[in-house]
Amino acid sequence: DAKTTQPPSMDCAEGRAANLPCNHSTISGNEYVYWYRQIHSQGPQYIIHGLKNNETNEMASLIITEDRKSSTLILPHATLRDTAVYYCIVRTNAGGTSYGKLTFGQGTILTVHP
Amino acid sequence: DAGVTQSPTHLIKTRGQHVTLRCSPISGHKSVSWYQQVLGQGPQFIFQYYEKEERGRGNFPDRFSARQFPNYSSELNVNALLLGDSALYLCASSKGLTSTVYNEQFFGPGTRLTVL
Repeated sequence: DAKTTQPPSMDCAEGRAANLPCNHSTISGNEYVYWYRQIHSQGPQYIIHGLKNNETNEMASLIITEDRKSSTLILPHATLRDTAVYYCIVRTNAGGTSYGKLTFGQGTILTVHP
Repeated sequence: DAGVTQSPTHLIKTRGQHVTLRCSPISGHKSVSWYQQVLGQGPQFIFQYYEKEERGRGNFPDRFSARQFPNYSSELNVNALLLGDSALYLCASSKGLTSTVYNEQFFGPGTRLTVL
C-alpha cells in the first residue's frame, strides 16, 4: 500500500470548513484513498473513500486531484465534536495478501475551537 | 444495533504474564481484525481472521496469537508480556474478507492494556 503524508496538526474555528490535506504521490492505479477518524479513547471511524472522482456523504467531502497524488478531506461546517485524529489511508480493494489490513500513519490532529 | 464490543475495557498485568482479550463482531460480520495502538501512534495491524482461519498477519512476534470461534467472536492472546505491549488493542469487524466499498471495517472501543 502507498505511503501517505499528513500535517501533524491543524486548527479550525467552529462552524467553518476544515480542509485536511493528504499527499500520496506513490499511489498506484488500483489504490483507493480512505479517511478514518479517531475521537479520543474511541476506535477509528470510517468517514469516506474514493478512487479518482470527488465523493460526498453526510459526514464529509473528498477531493482528489486529477493526478491522484494528493487529496483533501473537507468537513463543511466543523463542530467541537469533530475534534479528533484524522487518518488518510491508501489501499487497494483487491484481495490477496493485504486482505483487510489498514495501514495507519500518525494522522492529523484536528482541533476545532469555539 | 450493537456495534463491535470488546472486553475487558481496561486491564493491568505485570511483565511475564499472559493476557486474553475478547471481541464480538457486529451481527452478520464474519471477519475480525486486531490492531495494536501505542500511545501517540496510529493503529498497527496484528491479525485478520475470516471463517475461523487466519488470513493476514502483521509484523508481530509469536507471543501474539488469536483465534476465531464458530460464532465469529475472537480472542487475542499475548504471552510473556513486555512493558512495550502496553497499548490500546482494537478489534474491527467486516462482512467479508477484503475491504471493498461494501465491506468497511467497523472498530470497537478497544481494550486498554497496561503492563507494569
